[in-house]
Amino acid sequence: ETGVTQTPRHLVMGMTNKKSLKCEQHLGHNAMYWYKQSAKKPLELMFVYSLEERVENNSVPSRFSPECPNSSHLFLHLHTLQPEDSALYLCASSQAASGGVWATDTQYFGPGTRLTVL
Amino acid sequence: DQQVKQNSPSLSVQEGRISILNCDYTNSMFDYFLWYKKYPAEGPTFLISISSIKDKNEDGRFTVFLNKSAKHLSLHIVPSQPGDSAVYFCAGLGGGRLTFGEGTQLTVNP
Repeated sequence: ETGVTQTPRHLVMGMTNKKSLKCEQHLGHNAMYWYKQSAKKPLELMFVYSLEERVENNSVPSRFSPECPNSSHLFLHLHTLQPEDSALYLCASSQAASGGVWATDTQYFGPGTRLTVL
Repeated sequence: DQQVKQNSPSLSVQEGRISILNCDYTNSMFDYFLWYKKYPAEGPTFLISISSIKDKNEDGRFTVFLNKSAKHLSLHIVPSQPGDSAVYFCAGLGGGRLTFGEGTQLTVNP
């Protein structure tokens, strides 16, 4: 299997549930990202992990918690979400150069997880 | 092959004046273009985007212009403020890929 995979592809959860989104990259990259894409809004960067650093978007609520156990796997743990968190959650990976995660020019995206919070 | 290029690594502007950040691209398949701002030791912050079918998008002090025939986009900040001092990245989105430029360091002097 190649590229960036995400599971599940669709998820419906209640506001009191706890769930996790999974991302796996098979490209040998060393940086991974979580993005949120809401209806009528562009991509919003949520978290970045690389070998050198972890970067967070300070506007992301604490009910979203990332985990990156190794360079190939990335999780997004969800708890007590709100209906406005319903969106498409995209994972991406890239090869970060020695200058850091932003010293790279191409990120490869997974297909996304369509999350609906009831 | 650098598909998104920001040819100016730095830009210095006086407070109150206009800041113009430029970005060129080579990939005609981009559907969206986005601008991000990044302060040192912080994550990037999304600023503004533009669809490839538009030529202008405005949000407060920020306006992005897209010239598809020239494969060029620019971000205008008016009026510039010292708090705008940061690194600005443009990015093209298309085909499941987000491609960033190298960034331009903007310094707004009081």
